[in-house]
Amino acid sequence: DVKVTQSSRYLVKRTGEKVFLECVQDMDHENMFWYRQDPGLGLRLIYFSYDVKMKEKGDIPEGYSVSREKKERFSLILESASTNQTSMYLCASSFRGALFFGEGSRLTVL
Amino acid sequence: GDSVTQMEGPVTLSEEAFLTINCTYTATGYPSLFWYVQYPGEGLQLLLKATKADDKGSNKGFEATYRKETTSFHLEKGSVQVSDSAVYFCALVASSGGSYIPTFGRGTSLIVHP
Repeated sequence: DVKVTQSSRYLVKRTGEKVFLECVQDMDHENMFWYRQDPGLGLRLIYFSYDVKMKEKGDIPEGYSVSREKKERFSLILESASTNQTSMYLCASSFRGALFFGEGSRLTVL
Repeated sequence: GDSVTQMEGPVTLSEEAFLTINCTYTATGYPSLFWYVQYPGEGLQLLLKATKADDKGSNKGFEATYRKETTSFHLEKGSVQVSDSAVYFCALVASSGGSYIPTFGRGTSLIVHP
């Protein structure tokens, strides 16, 4: 089975802090994605990556950056966390269009 | 652009009732279609998929048929259980230069009562 592991299930950070969300997949997938999920808004794509060191902006990249130094790892970075970034963050890898998600990281910014 | 429309929830059913969650799509070309399920507090899991017209995806008693003529991919289950309570997402992937960017519906919440 494909396994996508997100480093933290729950995080509480303060406004202005730098936040790292880590995601690791074990199936050598080329495509990886970061989404945020908010009630009533569904899933919104932040960034995706189709290869090592390659990244593309999704629908809501503002306030976020990403890093993909190794194929299995895709990191989401909040340079200066703000309260409107309180959300559930979901990482996924994909193969032939099918996505495999991690369990999610629920971030609260105070 | 591509889009996916799902029926709004919540859908509330009694145990052993028949389930249908409607999903329609607009896309250029020939997309692949997917259903995902999200249990409370968890990430999404792939439930089933279909990659071409008239294909039927099935898993755990759920089924969906890729209907190109009606651009639909409705999710059905003959007899739901309390454990099926979750949010269900319909999605499509229209290959664009090999990037495989998915388009999701908003999700439909299903609540099954004993």
